[in-house]
Amino acid sequence: NFMLTQPHSVSESPGKTVTISCTRSSGSIASNYVQWYQQRPGSAPTTVIFEDNQRLSGVPDRFSGSIDSSSNSASLTISGLKTEDEADYYCQSYDTNIGVFGGGTKLTV
Amino acid sequence: EVQLVQSGAEVKKPGESLRISCKTSGYYFTSYWISWVRQMPGKGLEWMAMIDPTDSYTKYSPSFQGHVTISADKSISTAYLQWSSLKASDTAMYYCGRYYDSSGHIYPWGQGTLVTVSS
Repeated sequence: NFMLTQPHSVSESPGKTVTISCTRSSGSIASNYVQWYQQRPGSAPTTVIFEDNQRLSGVPDRFSGSIDSSSNSASLTISGLKTEDEADYYCQSYDTNIGVFGGGTKLTV
Repeated sequence: EVQLVQSGAEVKKPGESLRISCKTSGYYFTSYWISWVRQMPGKGLEWMAMIDPTDSYTKYSPSFQGHVTISADKSISTAYLQWSSLKASDTAMYYCGRYYDSSGHIYPWGQGTLVTVSS
């Protein structure tokens, strides 16, 4: 099976833009959809992006997702950062119906 | 409204057995797989296993195969995760979630069940 690698942590100031990467170790990133989940302390994960670039209803358009076949990676971009965006973010994909999570990225705003 | 409501926190001793539940509502239980995810204290999310409630067909991540068993009861729209002999290393938060097999997406998630295994 493949692995998804994320940076352990990122930090940016309010109002700025941050991008979190998620690199697939083997196989094409485009082969299977990528999701992004936000998890605040003490809470269950919630979806921010599904199917590579689709925002769940209610998720602000400051959140966007993309994939890049040249780097075999997916990215979550958050613009106009707010302090409420501070959380852990996990990318997730799947292969033969077994899911794979990235290690998570702690975003500090 | 689609909801997945998990059973409450558990404190168990090593070697004991345990079954936790995930009761669903607001949709046809057999229309979606249910996935289970582990989160050890201070750590990331780990995919454990998933079940098709239609026929209870299961898929396990290699890391969890043989260590846990998942099941589902269509009559009460509930999925289960169970251990026959708990270890201290099973201490974690466990989440269930509705799984979209067309995209691999988990939505929504249950609130989580904290399992603590300590002598």
